[in-house]
Amino acid sequence: QVQLQQSGPGLVRPSQTLSLTCAISGDRVSSNSAAWNWIRQSPSRGLEWLGRTYYRSKWYNDYAVSVKSRITINPDSSKNQFSLQLNSVTPEDTAVYYCAREGDYDNSGYNAFYFDLWGRGTLVTVSS
Amino acid sequence: DIVMTQTPLSSPVTLGQPASISCRSSQSLVHSDGKTYLSWLQQRPGQPPRLLIYKISNRFSGVPDRFSGSGAGTDFTLKISRVEAEDVGIYYCMQTTQFPRTFGQGTKVEIK
Repeated sequence: QVQLQQSGPGLVRPSQTLSLTCAISGDRVSSNSAAWNWIRQSPSRGLEWLGRTYYRSKWYNDYAVSVKSRITINPDSSKNQFSLQLNSVTPEDTAVYYCAREGDYDNSGYNAFYFDLWGRGTLVTVSS
Repeated sequence: DIVMTQTPLSSPVTLGQPASISCRSSQSLVHSDGKTYLSWLQQRPGQPPRLLIYKISNRFSGVPDRFSGSGAGTDFTLKISRVEAEDVGIYYCMQTTQFPRTFGQGTKVEIK
C-alpha cells in the first residue's frame, strides 16, 4: 500500500524558512512514472499547487510563479522522500501543506496525470 | 494560468436525491495529446483531498458508481446520482493539462 508520511514543524517565525518532508512508502521517489508535488490550502487562497520534482533519466523541478523565488523541492533517493523549503515566509504562507503523487498512467497504462495519493497534511502557522 | 470556476459554491441536498456540480475552465483543457486532464476531488471534513474522477469521466479505483463525470473542452460536470451521508464534504475540480496545476474554489455538499 502506497503511503505518504509528512513531517515538519507546525510553527515558523516570519522571515524564516518553512521546511517539510514527505516520506514515501510503496513507491520510489525516482519512479519514471510519477511526480512528487507540494500543494497548500488556506481559506484565502483555496488549494494552491506549489511545485513538483520528478525523475526522467535526470531530476527535474517545476514551480509555481507565485513562489518561484522562494521555493526549493528536493528529492532524496537514499531516504525515499522529498522535501519542501519555502524561504522568507510571511503570515500569508500560513496554510495546510500537502504532499501528493501525480501518476502519469492509470491501471490500464493510459496517460492519466492524476493526483491519486495525498499526505495527511501539515498545518503550518507563520507567526512570531 | 487556467482559472477553474465552480458552481454552485454550496449545494444542500436531501439524502437519496441527486446532486450536480459544474466546473468551467478559462481555456480549453484539451492537451496536445488529444486528452482532457480534468479531475474531481472530494475532501471530507478534516481529511486530505481524495481523487474521485480523472480525464473527465474515469472513476478512480474504489469510487462508487453513483459518482459520474462528463463534459468537454471548458465545461464539465460532476454528478452524484443518490447522495449518501458519507458524501458530505467539499468537491474540487482540478486541471492537469497545463502548468501550473489549478483547482476550482470548491463546492460544499451538505445534507438538508
